[in-house]
Amino acid sequence: NAGVTQTPKFRILKIGQSMTLQCTQDMNHNYMYWYRQDPGMGLKLIYYSVGAGITDKGEVPNGYNVSRSTTEDFPLRLELAAPSQTSVYFCASRYTGAGNTIYFGEGSWLTVV
Amino acid sequence: GQNIDQPTEMTATEGAIVQINCTYQTSGFNGLFWYQQHAGEAPTFLSYNVLDGLEEKGRFSSFLSRSKGYSYLLLKELQMKDSASYLCAVRDGYGNKLVFGAGTILRVKS
Repeated sequence: NAGVTQTPKFRILKIGQSMTLQCTQDMNHNYMYWYRQDPGMGLKLIYYSVGAGITDKGEVPNGYNVSRSTTEDFPLRLELAAPSQTSVYFCASRYTGAGNTIYFGEGSWLTVV
Repeated sequence: GQNIDQPTEMTATEGAIVQINCTYQTSGFNGLFWYQQHAGEAPTFLSYNVLDGLEEKGRFSSFLSRSKGYSYLLLKELQMKDSASYLCAVRDGYGNKLVFGAGTILRVKS
């Protein structure tokens, strides 16, 4: 049971570089989310998607982009990385239904230097 | 917008009972979730409340009062492995977004 898979797990970026965090889920969930978690803090919603072809901004979208061309994949793009983007990134998904919990990937640790 | 408040840290003794409170102000409400997160790991689901009252699941219980914008997570018979961060999260009125509080770090001492 793969669940939600994120890659890479660890990455060091230089200021100004770009990269894509990959996320894929094999549970046929229609909702997918990207969160970031700074040390000692809760999770902040970056972007979310309610289905293929539909994305929307969360609480902290600046500096990021997403796409949802398939049900399974929800990549997060960082353009022009900045030290403020140093964080742990979690991808998550859930099935339709208000009571359905979201399932998290294992996280991606990103450091921008 | 949504605002979710939890105590930053709590300490309790092994075998005891601890209550972690969460208050929220939201423009809409479609359920409240509690998650447990151990250091360096992803959050894992503990409980879900959408109606007022108490939901019990083994050593863990969660209570919700929608009129007061208030929830608590009750942990009984504390074990050392319960040392973790506990996150309160509220689903918005449209049912699309799940917004998290900053979390409460619980330390269980022997």
